[in-house]
Amino acid sequence: TQLLEQSPQFLSIQEGENLTVYCNSSSVFSSLQWYRQEPGEGPVLLVTVVTGGEVKKLKRLTFQFGDARKDSSLHITAAQPGDTGLYLCAGDNYGQNFVFGPGTRLSVLP
Amino acid sequence: GAGVSQTPSNKVTEKGKYVELRCDPISGHTALYWYRQSLGQGPEFLIYFQGTGAADDSGLPNDRFFAVRPEGSVSTLKIQRTERGDSAVYLCASSLIGGSTDTQYFGPGTRLTVL
Repeated sequence: TQLLEQSPQFLSIQEGENLTVYCNSSSVFSSLQWYRQEPGEGPVLLVTVVTGGEVKKLKRLTFQFGDARKDSSLHITAAQPGDTGLYLCAGDNYGQNFVFGPGTRLSVLP
Repeated sequence: GAGVSQTPSNKVTEKGKYVELRCDPISGHTALYWYRQSLGQGPEFLIYFQGTGAADDSGLPNDRFFAVRPEGSVSTLKIQRTERGDSAVYLCASSLIGGSTDTQYFGPGTRLTVL
């Protein structure tokens, strides 16, 4: 069974600060996805990374897939209150389904 | 367009009862997934349908859990003899063709509480 760990578990920052959250595993994944989930809703896909070392940018969000495809990071620049939510990473489990990490709960205070 | 819908949004039942949870995927999506999310955790995979058939049911925790998708559209997750440990949010997702590079669209979930 492939497992994903995420850190930190909780993060509370002021508006305008930068932050990085991490997703780590001892297993290799063929692809990895990042989602944001708000209370009472399902997760919403932010990005999929496929190639080791790949960097993708989505406005103020920068996603990186580790060279060995075992880890990933999400960096947010100049965080805004609208970024508040649960950030989940999910790794491809042999092409059939995804294994999710426990998430990082981010709170951005105005 | 319409997204994935799930009914009911909340379900409270007593230990030992039978429950059914319904998922209406996005029209035309062939792949459908069920997940379970406990408090403070990420979604846990339960079962994946490709069309009418279960392509992967390895995540179903035991034989009290069963899911169907008889016409390749709506799916029902069925839980027999519910236990307090079954309490969680049950999420459904659909994608156009399935597979690891296809985008999954999640519904809002059904919150199941077993008393």
